[in-house]
Amino acid sequence: AQSVTQLDSQVPVFEEAPVELRCNYSSSVSVYLFWYVQYPNQGLQLLLKYLSGSTLVESINGFEAEFNKSQTSFHLRKPSVHISDTAEYFCAVSEMTSGSRLTFGEGTQLTVNP
Amino acid sequence: NAGVTQTPKFRILKIGQSMTLQCTQDMNHNYMYWYRQDPGMGLKLIYYSVGAGITDKGEVPNGYNVSRSTTEDFPLRLELAAPSQTSVYFCASNEGWTGGWGNTEAFFGQGTRLTVV
Repeated sequence: AQSVTQLDSQVPVFEEAPVELRCNYSSSVSVYLFWYVQYPNQGLQLLLKYLSGSTLVESINGFEAEFNKSQTSFHLRKPSVHISDTAEYFCAVSEMTSGSRLTFGEGTQLTVNP
Repeated sequence: NAGVTQTPKFRILKIGQSMTLQCTQDMNHNYMYWYRQDPGMGLKLIYYSVGAGITDKGEVPNGYNVSRSTTEDFPLRLELAAPSQTSVYFCASNEGWTGGWGNTEAFFGQGTRLTVV
C-alpha cells in the first residue's frame, strides 16, 4: 500500500524568500502525485498534479513541484512567497491500479511573515 | 456552480447523541468520500462510494455509517457520539475511474467542525 511522508510539519519564512516543502512517498507501482492547499477554515483545493510526462509541474500562482522517481519525492517549491501563501499544504498519492485510494500526508503549515 | 456543500458548519454534541452530516455535490461525480482531519494527522478516509447504492469502508470507519441513495447525496451518520470523534469532517467528490481515484481532481466541501463533550 502507498504512503506519504511530509518531512516538515511547520515551515516559517519571510515574505519574498524562497521555500521548499518536502514530500516523499512509498509505493510498489506507478503513482499519480498531488499537492493540495488548505486556507484557514476552508476545504482543500488542488494546487498541482503530476500524472505523466514532464517531471516538473507548475501551478498558476508560481508554485512548482518536481517528480523524482529515483528518490520517490515530489517536493513543492516557490522562488518568492507572499503573505497570501500562508496555508496548510498537503501532498497526496494515488496508485495507478484498480481500487486505488488517495492517501494524504500529514500536512505542512507554511507561515509567511512580513 | 456550488460544487460540494456540507452542512452544518459547526456542531456540538453530547456523548451518546447521534447526528447526520450532510454532503451534496452538483457535478454529477460518481465518486464521493468522507474524511476526518485531526491536527498533525493529515486526512483519514472514513467511507467512500463509487456510485449510488455502493459504499465501502476506508481507514477509520468505526463509529460511522453512510448511505448513497442518489448520485448527489452522501450523508455520514454518527450513532453514539464519543469524544474521539471530535474532529473536522470533509466530504469530497471526483470523477474517479473504474475502481479507484485515478488522476482527476478531488473537490472538497468547506468542512464540518464537530465537538463531542
